[in-house]
Amino acid sequence: GENVEQHPSTLSVQEGDSAVIKCTYSDSASNYFPWYKQELGKRPQLIIDIRSNVGEKKDQRIAVTLNKTAKHFSLHITETQPEDSAVYFCAALSNTGTASKLTFGTGTRLQVTL
Amino acid sequence: ETGVTQTPRHLVMGMTNKKSLKCEQHLGHNAMYWYKQSAKKPLELMFVYNFKEQTENNSVPSRFSPECPNSSHLFLHLHTLQPEDSALYLCASSQGNGGAPETQYFGPGTRLLVL
Repeated sequence: GENVEQHPSTLSVQEGDSAVIKCTYSDSASNYFPWYKQELGKRPQLIIDIRSNVGEKKDQRIAVTLNKTAKHFSLHITETQPEDSAVYFCAALSNTGTASKLTFGTGTRLQVTL
Repeated sequence: ETGVTQTPRHLVMGMTNKKSLKCEQHLGHNAMYWYKQSAKKPLELMFVYNFKEQTENNSVPSRFSPECPNSSHLFLHLHTLQPEDSALYLCASSQGNGGAPETQYFGPGTRLLVL
């Protein structure tokens, strides 16, 4: 089955700096890679995703890059703000032909300090 | 925020109790999922239902019993749980078209404590 590894487990940056979170996956057939943000006590919410036919995607301060050959993908947050503080999860999707099966990384706790 | 709802939000139960978690989605989706989220562990997929049929059981102990009466509702029946089953149980749904990659939307979760 799919195995997703995520690093670092914790990340502290100063407001305005950039943050980068990296994930690797094992199943070369995985074709969809979402990133979720989970604030304390709240549900995971999708912030950006990328499909395997694209190498990079950007949405305002957030960008995701995908290297299919190396089987890794990264989340980049620029000009970080205190409200970016949360746990971020990467995931890789193996499409079973019926419903989608997401395998999640272990999460990165991002702390943005003033 | 109200596309996927879960009740109850918090649950405390003894090891001999029987309880049920409920999930409802208002997004017109056909696939629904149960995940377990424990401290310092990744989200673990438990069950997948697509068009009311179970398509995935990720080696979950039989003390967890899912039920999907229709595409909008998903239950997780709990009985004789262990303290290590204490966790946040998240429900999610997706379109369920089976062909293209699709986004999963999560409910707020039920925080379960087994004493």
